[in-house]
Amino acid sequence: QMQVVESGGGVVQPGKSLRLSCTGSGFTFSRYAMHWLRQAPGKGLEWVAVISYDGSEIYHADSVKGRFTISRDNSINTAFLQMDSLRPEDTAVYYCAKAYIVVSVAPTLHVWGQGTMVTVPS
Amino acid sequence: EILMTQSPATLSVSPGERATLSCRASQTVTSNLAWYQQKPGQAPRLLIFAASTRATDIPARFSGSGSGTEFTLTISSVQSEDFAVYYCQQYKNWPPESTFGQGTKLEIK
Repeated sequence: QMQVVESGGGVVQPGKSLRLSCTGSGFTFSRYAMHWLRQAPGKGLEWVAVISYDGSEIYHADSVKGRFTISRDNSINTAFLQMDSLRPEDTAVYYCAKAYIVVSVAPTLHVWGQGTMVTVPS
Repeated sequence: EILMTQSPATLSVSPGERATLSCRASQTVTSNLAWYQQKPGQAPRLLIFAASTRATDIPARFSGSGSGTEFTLTISSVQSEDFAVYYCQQYKNWPPESTFGQGTKLEIK
């Protein structure tokens, strides 16, 4: 069945960097946009970034623009989130999600991973 | 930024009853609205998009309605597996703006 699996989370000091990975299986990875979202402890969901199926379209939320960078490698069915200059307010579970509609970057999010925790202590 | 407000924060219903969850946008989002279900310790699941279209494999007891600023998710007969937190999401000014409501917790009465 379709699934995505995130990895790479951990505890990182403020100002440092971390790279998250998201590997998809059970679907044609190269045909779908991939999104990253996050959920701070006890809080709601926040959309973070999207990359189109071919990498030609990329968008980031204002809250992470200039610090986070999304990318993908379709040869290994994996999307990445490079997180630089991390802040305590970036502490959250980070989810990767596959777009529902083929080729489209629309943020209707079909298959989600279980998430990976990123902690930036204050 | 379009703000999404969900009500009530917690809804208590008995299995078999009808549940009605509301979502209000601070400005019109036309029909650019989705609903998700999240169970404890699990990732969210897409239920509804374009305000009223059920996603693949979503049971018919889930339905969405509304347009503009007022939206409703209805569960016609709540099953035990439906107790969860429900989020609405707007994507009117996409890309790249998309915002979620704070969620409604559906609990067993």
